[in-house]
Amino acid sequence: AQKVTQAQTEISVVEKEDVTLDCVYETRDTTYYLFWYKQPPSGELVFLIRRNSFDEQNEISGRYSWNFQKSTSSFNFTITASQVVDSAVYFCALKRYSTLTFGKGTMLLVSP
Amino acid sequence: EAGVAQSPRYKIIEKRQSVAFWCNPISGHATLYWYQQILGQGPKLLIQFQNNGVVDDSQLPKDRFSAERLKGVDSTLKIQPAKLEDSAVYLCASSPPRANSGANVLTFGAGSRLTVL
Repeated sequence: AQKVTQAQTEISVVEKEDVTLDCVYETRDTTYYLFWYKQPPSGELVFLIRRNSFDEQNEISGRYSWNFQKSTSSFNFTITASQVVDSAVYFCALKRYSTLTFGKGTMLLVSP
Repeated sequence: EAGVAQSPRYKIIEKRQSVAFWCNPISGHATLYWYQQILGQGPKLLIQFQNNGVVDDSQLPKDRFSAERLKGVDSTLKIQPAKLEDSAVYLCASSPPRANSGANVLTFGAGSRLTVL
C-alpha cells in the first residue's frame, strides 16, 4: 500500500521568510513518481514538480526548491523568500503506474 | 490548450436527493479521474477511466455513486441518494496517453463543490 504523510497541518510565516514543507512517503515499489501540487483559495490543483524514484538530484526553480532523499523516503519542498501569493495548501503525492495518492496537505499562510 | 472543464461549480441539495457532475477533459487525454476532497483532507480517488473503460473504482461507494464515460471523452459522476458525508469538492482530472503512465502529470479542473443539508 502507498502512503504519503505531511505532518505539518498549517504553517504561518511572515513575508520573506524561508519555509520548508515536509513530505514522507511509504511504498514497496522501486519505481514510482513523486509530485507536489499547490491549491490556492480558488480551489484548482496546480502542478509544481514531478520527480522519479531514480533521480535524487535536488531541483531549484526560482524561489522553489525540492530535496528528494530516498534513504529517508522524504521529498521536502522549500520556498525561499516567501511571498503573500504563496499562501495556499500544498499537497505531496505519490504515483505508481497511473494511481496518484495524496497526503493531507499543508496549509501555508504568508502574512505581509 | 483549454483546461479540464467541470460543472456545476457549486451545488446545494438536501440529503436523499440526487446530483450529477460533469467533466470535459483536455482534448486527447485518454485517462480521466474523479477525486473527492473533503474539507481539510487531500483528494481521494473515486474512479479512474482509461478511454471509456474503468481502470480503478475500488474506492467508489457503488451503492450510491456511479460514473460513466460513454464515448471516452466527457464523463458524469452521479450521487443518488446523497448523504451528509458526501459534502465535498469533486475534482476531475485528466492525463495524456503515454507508455510510462507513472510519469503522467494529472491536470485538474476547478472542482464542483457539493453541500448536502
